[in-house]
Amino acid sequence: DQQVKQNSPSLSVQEGRISILNCDYTNSMFDYFLWYKKYPAEGPTFLISISSIKDKNEDGRFTVFLNKSAKHLSLHIVPSQPGDSAVYFCAGGTSYGKLTFGQGTILTVHP
Amino acid sequence: DTAVSQTPKYLVTQMGNDKSIKCEQNLGHDTMYWYKQDSKKFLKIMFSYNNKELIINETVPNRFSPKSPDKAHLNLHINSLELGDSAVYFCASSQDPPSYEQYFGPGTRLTVT
Repeated sequence: DQQVKQNSPSLSVQEGRISILNCDYTNSMFDYFLWYKKYPAEGPTFLISISSIKDKNEDGRFTVFLNKSAKHLSLHIVPSQPGDSAVYFCAGGTSYGKLTFGQGTILTVHP
Repeated sequence: DTAVSQTPKYLVTQMGNDKSIKCEQNLGHDTMYWYKQDSKKFLKIMFSYNNKELIINETVPNRFSPKSPDKAHLNLHINSLELGDSAVYFCASSQDPPSYEQYFGPGTRLTVT
């Protein structure tokens, strides 16, 4: 049962433009949604989160949007930079810090 | 200073062997986790410990046994290794109460031949 899905395996964007990464979920019990970023040969790094009672959270160049009725969230990166090239995982969180991850989207930002 | 460290980084072993992966965190966190990233790249939680007490225990074969000697360490012992155990294993930690903002180690790539 795949509770969190990232349907785009990869995304390619030009430097300075907007990157939009999408995520769909099925579990209505998630309290929080999060985005993690991962570089090769490293562990995931927390990027930004949003409570299930909010619809938007912003942190610098990163904004996460949550549409509960559609069970959909997205991460916007504006402007995109080459250093943003990485794998991005979305995750849903329930009690005791339990995270359920999607399979990731590879973002490539071209100079 | 490495916040969450794992050893070894790579582990190649034969079916049927028993192996351990060690994890240490120097962040002063009370909760530690083990995740498995399979060939399809999904990161799935296996266990979590809070102050040496088991909190989350997902549907994991009992060949996998976490051991927490103290709250800064959570080791993963695997008995009778199988081909399907080949994966990357990540350790993580978070503040107390267990938090979604988790700090991950660099991962251990286990290959079972």
